Amino acid sequence: EAQVTQNPRYLITVTGKKLTVTCSQNMNHEYMSWYRQDPGLGLRQIYYSMNVEVTDKGDVPEGYKVSRKEKRNFPLILESPSPNQTSLYFCASSSQGSHQPQHFGDGTRLSIL
Amino acid sequence: GESVGLHLPTLSVQEGDNSIINCAYSNSASDYFIWYKQESGKGPQFIIDIRSNMDKRQGQRVTVLLNKTVKHLSLQIAATQPGDSAVYFCAENSGGSNYKLTFGKGTLLTVNP
Repeated sequence: EAQVTQNPRYLITVTGKKLTVTCSQNMNHEYMSWYRQDPGLGLRQIYYSMNVEVTDKGDVPEGYKVSRKEKRNFPLILESPSPNQTSLYFCASSSQGSHQPQHFGDGTRLSIL
Repeated sequence: GESVGLHLPTLSVQEGDNSIINCAYSNSASDYFIWYKQESGKGPQFIIDIRSNMDKRQGQRVTVLLNKTVKHLSLQIAATQPGDSAVYFCAENSGGSNYKLTFGKGTLLTVNP
């Protein structure tokens, strides 16, 4: 089954404790992206990757890092999480950038205390 | 389930009626538009897309209309069913970039049996 898998689905942690949210897709997609979703603000893009070893900032990249060492994986790293990063996060992938429908994972709810 | 937004525009319809969800986009240079459906606790799911060289596209029970003159996009759902209840987002490929999608804030559709 074609899917985008995120882990963990839920995480409660404390300020400053580094965390990684993993994202994996099994569709051999070149393009992958991370979004955060906040009430009243909709989905906002954090980072995206056009292909292996190619990443670029989205609209809200501050406080986040990503890497793309393999085509299937695109982890989101919060080196020093802060409460304003409490949010619902989605990973997505598509075969050709944003001119093709993106497939989304089911989300990761992060709470930073 | 997860709450995806507060104070969203809402549309309430009776089962079997047709629904029209509207979206105003911001960038006259945007050349690709897409509608997503998000159910509670899940990631956005692709419904239908349209390129700027078209003004109408039909899918199964759904139609997207694009009016570039007034920068307006609409999603029409025929014979709305309770399973159509969800938040609907429009998104545009904006800023002349091939790599970024900008999402609207969403509309909550409620279908009453």
